[in-house]
Amino acid sequence: DGGITQSPKYLFRKEGQNVTLSCEQNLNHDAMYWYRQDPGQGLRLIYYSQIVNDFQKGDIAEGYSVSREKKESFPLTVTSAQKNPTAFYLCASRPLSGQGSGNTIYFGEGSWLTVV
Amino acid sequence: SQQGEEDPQALSIQEGENATMNCSYKTSINNLQWYRQNSGRGLVHLILIRSNEREKHSGRLRVTLDTSKKSSSLLITASRAADTASYFCATALRNFQGAQKLVFGQGTRLTINP
Repeated sequence: DGGITQSPKYLFRKEGQNVTLSCEQNLNHDAMYWYRQDPGQGLRLIYYSQIVNDFQKGDIAEGYSVSREKKESFPLTVTSAQKNPTAFYLCASRPLSGQGSGNTIYFGEGSWLTVV
Repeated sequence: SQQGEEDPQALSIQEGENATMNCSYKTSINNLQWYRQNSGRGLVHLILIRSNEREKHSGRLRVTLDTSKKSSSLLITASRAADTASYFCATALRNFQGAQKLVFGQGTRLTINP
């Protein structure tokens, strides 16, 4: 089935560790996004990428890094510089206008990150 | 602050009643979208309304857009217990490089009581 796969679903990080959240899509979408959601809150944009080997900072990029070496993959690394990383992380993708549904954004099921 | 702000933050109604949620935004938009999120899950797209449209329907959903007031509303008619979820509006912004990003509001938590 086509879709967006995030892994792992649950991740525990010790203080000072970097962790990487995986996001893979087989929808042939050009644009991919990472959002952070704190309990009871809305989504805040971390990074986004419109094409391979290019990405742009969102509103809360500090303490995070991404790569876009392949169209299907957009991993997010939460570095030790992110002081309050405990949150729900959502990956999303979108076909660019002219393909499929245009502006609709499709989400994965999310990954829960907890600092222990 | 967030581009989109939903109102109310929480809404609790009886099954069968209509639910109305509002969204206000600050800057010019290309389109506005509404999404639904069940607890602990990803978001699911519900409906998109373009900046040159005023109203759109999809099943039990009705969305309006007033660009002069920079506001939108989502109406769910004949609510069901399964409609219990958080609902978010999202506005599509285009930056100076032409890249488009979606900015989400804080959401409205809707509870449908049986």
